[in-house]
Amino acid sequence: DADVTQTPRNRITKTGKRIMLECSQTKGHDRMYWYRQDPGLGLRLIYYSFDVKDINKGEISDGYSVSRQAQAKFSLSLESAIPNQTALYFCATSDPGQGGYGYTFGSGTRLTVV
Amino acid sequence: GDSVTQMEGPVTLSEEACLTINCTYTATGYPSLFWYVQYPGEGLQLLLKATKADDKGSNKGFEATYRKETTSFHLEKGSVQVSDSAVYFCALSWNSGNTPLVFGKGTRLSVIA
Repeated sequence: DADVTQTPRNRITKTGKRIMLECSQTKGHDRMYWYRQDPGLGLRLIYYSFDVKDINKGEISDGYSVSRQAQAKFSLSLESAIPNQTALYFCATSDPGQGGYGYTFGSGTRLTVV
Repeated sequence: GDSVTQMEGPVTLSEEACLTINCTYTATGYPSLFWYVQYPGEGLQLLLKATKADDKGSNKGFEATYRKETTSFHLEKGSVQVSDSAVYFCALSWNSGNTPLVFGKGTRLSVIA
């Protein structure tokens, strides 16, 4: 099994629908992140969590919410999806002792909002 | 705030050509610097890193040197292969690890046989 698993891998949804993207990890890391990837814009941080009781907004949190259900699980929700939220979404974890080189990324969820 | 600027792509090279992807950063102080690579259909993975000025990171034939004078961390490879086709991201973070990675916009590399 992958260290960081994202479900679903692909999803098409309609404008206005609520959708949840899930992320689970077996790395034992406390820190988890959600990034969004758009062509020409790189990866932008949506939310991050340094432990189960900690949730922080990233640079583009509007229109998104998250839930840290356990150390191993970090879900991203779009309460009312809109077409400009069509993107590739990545979950990542990190080891607090390893800075930027301790990141492990999932394989991504490709979301299309029609 | 902190930011990373890397050259825009796409970059198309013939096999065995030399590669340079430019990366510069803006930050107060001396962060750690990274190159991540994303192969088609996959998540990002660490390619190499440098944690202090003048450090050289290297992996899989790729190299990058942390230049504080020019606030740069350019990625280089002397002879690219088709299998190097991917998107490359420059990134920075702080050694404390208390702020998330900041990424550049990515550079798509295509290597043709």
